[in-house]
Amino acid sequence: DVKVTQSSRYLVKRTGEKVFLECVQDMDHENMFWYRQDPGLGLRLIYFSYDVKMKEKGDIPEGYSVSREKKERFSLILESASTNQTSMYLCASSSILAGDSYEQYFGPGTRLTVT
Amino acid sequence: TQLLEQSPQFLSIQEGENLTVYCNSSSVFSSLQWYRQEPGEGPVLLVTVVTGGEVKKLKRLTFQFGDARKDSSLHITAAQPGDTGLYLCAGVARGSTLGRLYFGRGTQLTVWP
Repeated sequence: DVKVTQSSRYLVKRTGEKVFLECVQDMDHENMFWYRQDPGLGLRLIYFSYDVKMKEKGDIPEGYSVSREKKERFSLILESASTNQTSMYLCASSSILAGDSYEQYFGPGTRLTVT
Repeated sequence: TQLLEQSPQFLSIQEGENLTVYCNSSSVFSSLQWYRQEPGEGPVLLVTVVTGGEVKKLKRLTFQFGDARKDSSLHITAAQPGDTGLYLCAGVARGSTLGRLYFGRGTQLTVWP
């Protein structure tokens, strides 16, 4: 089974702190994604990566950066956390060998609260 | 701009009732997926439909991909409390080579005993 793990289930940070969210997948997937999920807004893509050191902006990249130094690991960085970044953060991975399907496998999420 | 419009946003029904959730777009998709998410967890894939007009069944759940590959529906027969969750549709845009999914905003289904 595909397993996607996220470093924390719950995180509380102060405004202005630098925050690192880590995601690891064990299925050798090429693609990895970071989303945030807010009530009524669904899943919004922040960044994704289709290969090591490669990244593409999603719909809401402002205030975030990412790092992918190894294939299995994709990090989301909040350079200076703000209260409007309080949210559920979901990491996902998918294989480019899935044909047209690109099914995504999600981690359990990190509930981040910025105070 | 939301590429995939999902409706209804909320659905609250009694056990045993039938329901349909819709996912619509003006864009064509190579494939469309349905996920279910339970509180505190990430979404889990239920099904992928790839061919226009395709129908797939998963026990009491029936998924259909529109002939023009612009829309999809999820029908649940005789809903049970265990069906409660957030249902999300997601599509791969036609011609995409990077595997990005576009998600609908979800339908929150509650089934009461």
